[in-house]
Amino acid sequence: DSGVTQTPKHLITATGQRVTLRCSPRSGDLSVYWYQQSLDQGLQFLIQYYNGEERAKGNILERFSAQQFPDLHSELNLSSLELGDSALYFCASSAWGPQETQYFGPGTRLLVL
Amino acid sequence: AQKVTQAQTEISVVEKEDVTLDCVYETRDTTYYLFWYKQPPSGELVFLIRRNSFDEQNEISGRYSWNFQKSTSSFNFTITASQVVDSAVYFCALSEFQGTSGSRLTFGEGTQLTVNP
Repeated sequence: DSGVTQTPKHLITATGQRVTLRCSPRSGDLSVYWYQQSLDQGLQFLIQYYNGEERAKGNILERFSAQQFPDLHSELNLSSLELGDSALYFCASSAWGPQETQYFGPGTRLLVL
Repeated sequence: AQKVTQAQTEISVVEKEDVTLDCVYETRDTTYYLFWYKQPPSGELVFLIRRNSFDEQNEISGRYSWNFQKSTSSFNFTITASQVVDSAVYFCALSEFQGTSGSRLTFGEGTQLTVNP
């Protein structure tokens, strides 16, 4: 157990819908990262927050947004869902700096029908 | 841009065989960190090791060992006396710094290791 929690574990929804994925980092970690794992794209970095502020951004779609709250948990919002958004979404956390190890949560498996 | 290549898509071995997973990386940074993660069939990503660019000393942890060679930009992972429980996808990753406190991991494509009894 990495100490990172993600809810829900599974999510099935329809195209055009909006969903919210939630992540709680390890105790004491200030950075939260979101990654998407799909068969065609592999593991791709989406976005990073550090102590409530966005610090790094990957190829995150405009339909996707994220935030980190004062209690350091984070949410990833996916809207206008398309079939191609079906993937495993991971949250990771690290202590603070870029040299720290990222510990991953169990992931949320999203299926868009 | 940074890049990680794991040329071996799939490897199949028989239990107790030794197996080496290859990882080659590209970066312009002088300071960087390399990682290996394991993804068992259950799907979670499990951290195995972190190595910084200034430490080329090889590391051994039980049946696992890692060989970091800066001259060839490689960070290979060897499992000695493989076991069925080692069956998983293994990812090599490279950290990329982005500004103050910003970072991201660039992952390789992963190597599916199957250990047969």
